[in-house]
Amino acid sequence: EAGVAQSPRYKIIEKRQSVAFWCNPISGHATLYWYQQILGQGPKLLIQFQNNGVVDDSQLPKDRFSAERLKGVDSTLKIQPAKLEDSAVYLCASSPLSISLFGNTEAFFGQGTRLTVV
Amino acid sequence: QKEVEQDPGPLSVPEGAIVSLNCTYSNSAFQYFMWYRQYSRKGPELLMYTYSSGNKEDGRFTAQVDKSSKYISLFIRDSQPSDSATYLCATLNSGNTPLVFGKGTRLSVIA
Repeated sequence: EAGVAQSPRYKIIEKRQSVAFWCNPISGHATLYWYQQILGQGPKLLIQFQNNGVVDDSQLPKDRFSAERLKGVDSTLKIQPAKLEDSAVYLCASSPLSISLFGNTEAFFGQGTRLTVV
Repeated sequence: QKEVEQDPGPLSVPEGAIVSLNCTYSNSAFQYFMWYRQYSRKGPELLMYTYSSGNKEDGRFTAQVDKSSKYISLFIRDSQPSDSATYLCATLNSGNTPLVFGKGTRLSVIA
């Protein structure tokens, strides 16, 4: 079974530039998550999709971050404009069901995109 | 107070040692408790999952939850160099809330 695919693996941009990350979840997984993991910290949820609808985006800095999930499959996360503090690994995860509603379901993570803002 | 506290380490042990990793949490509504393992430059992968209080064993790994003291533990027996990774505890309640992760503890098992 193919895992969660993310691209690019690494990205270096200057502050105030824009950047986009792409995620292809495991086939058939209804729930997709974007997490931000700052160095030395645990992952923090940015947004959760159920199919193509947003379930939770309470921690997404909406003035600069946006995300969409087209046709309930692939997803993109965009930052515009980027700040130095956005330097982090952006992890995409998917699960067949929502973990928040069905605690006994596993989220499968991609390898992440490491963003450095200079 | 952060919702989930975890000592980031690093923790270095010799091969074969018993490793104890711990987290505390503040929200008594948390009911699901998970341990994720994250190798360097990889995404986290689920290692153990428990519901409410009690123990759960899987091979060399034992997860323990004490809801009365809000304490979560992961024990690794006969630790191997391949166990070297960052271990993240995570919790959530039964409502529509996201997983809350600890900072992670970086473990090195020295051959």
